[in-house]
Amino acid sequence: DSGVTQTPKHLITATGQRVTLRCSPRSGDLSVYWYQQSLDQGLQFLIQYYNGEERAKGNILERFSAQQFPDLHSELNLSSLELGDSALYFCASSVGVGNEQFFGPGTRLTVL
Amino acid sequence: DAKTTQPPSMDCAEGRAANLPCNHSTISGNEYVYWYRQIHSQGPQYIIHGLKNNETNEMASLIITEDRKSSTLILPHATLRDTAVYYCIVTPYTGGFKTIFGAGTRLFVKA
Repeated sequence: DSGVTQTPKHLITATGQRVTLRCSPRSGDLSVYWYQQSLDQGLQFLIQYYNGEERAKGNILERFSAQQFPDLHSELNLSSLELGDSALYFCASSVGVGNEQFFGPGTRLTVL
Repeated sequence: DAKTTQPPSMDCAEGRAANLPCNHSTISGNEYVYWYRQIHSQGPQYIIHGLKNNETNEMASLIITEDRKSSTLILPHATLRDTAVYYCIVTPYTGGFKTIFGAGTRLFVKA
C-alpha cells in the first residue's frame, strides 16, 4: 500500500459524458501527478500540481482538466468522453517537486 | 519522447540476479536516474534512484557508469514476484518537467 488513494476504482460511462476522478496523496506529500495508461500508449504523463499550483503539463487534452485543493487532494475532470479515453488513470504523489513518486491503485475508466 | 532506452524483455531464473540495463546518453547534469516497476496493471512502484554514485536499498542496487550515460538495476535474488515491467526514467531533481515513461523492460522470472 503506497498510501495514495484513488476513487472510484472502476467507472463505466457513455460517450459524451463527464466524470471526475479523485486522488488523495500520501500524508505530507505536496505534489500530485496524473497519468493515463491505455493499451497502445503506455504510461502517459498528464499533469503535475505542487501545493495547489500547476507545475508541469504533459499532453493533456483540452477536454481534461485537473486541480489540487487546499487540503492537497486532487481531482481530474474528463469531459465529452470518447471511446479512446478508456484507460487506467493513475495518480501519484511525492514530497516535493522532483522526488520519487508513489502511485495509487488507479481508476479504470471504460467509455461505452 | 523517452530519454531512455531499455531492452523490451528479459528472462531471469528464480534466485539469480537480474541485471536490467538502461541507456540515457543525453542525460543532463541535474537529472537523476529513477527506476520504477509495474506488476500487471497495478500502480507503478518506486524502486531506487541515483545521481552519479551507486546506490543500494532493500529492494535493489543501482549502478551508474562514470559518464552517467547508462545504468544497471540489479535485483540480487530475483523471485517470481519480481516479474514486472521495469521503467528507467531521467528527470531533474528540481522537478517542473514532464515525467516520461518509456516502454520499459518486461522481466520474466522463471522457476
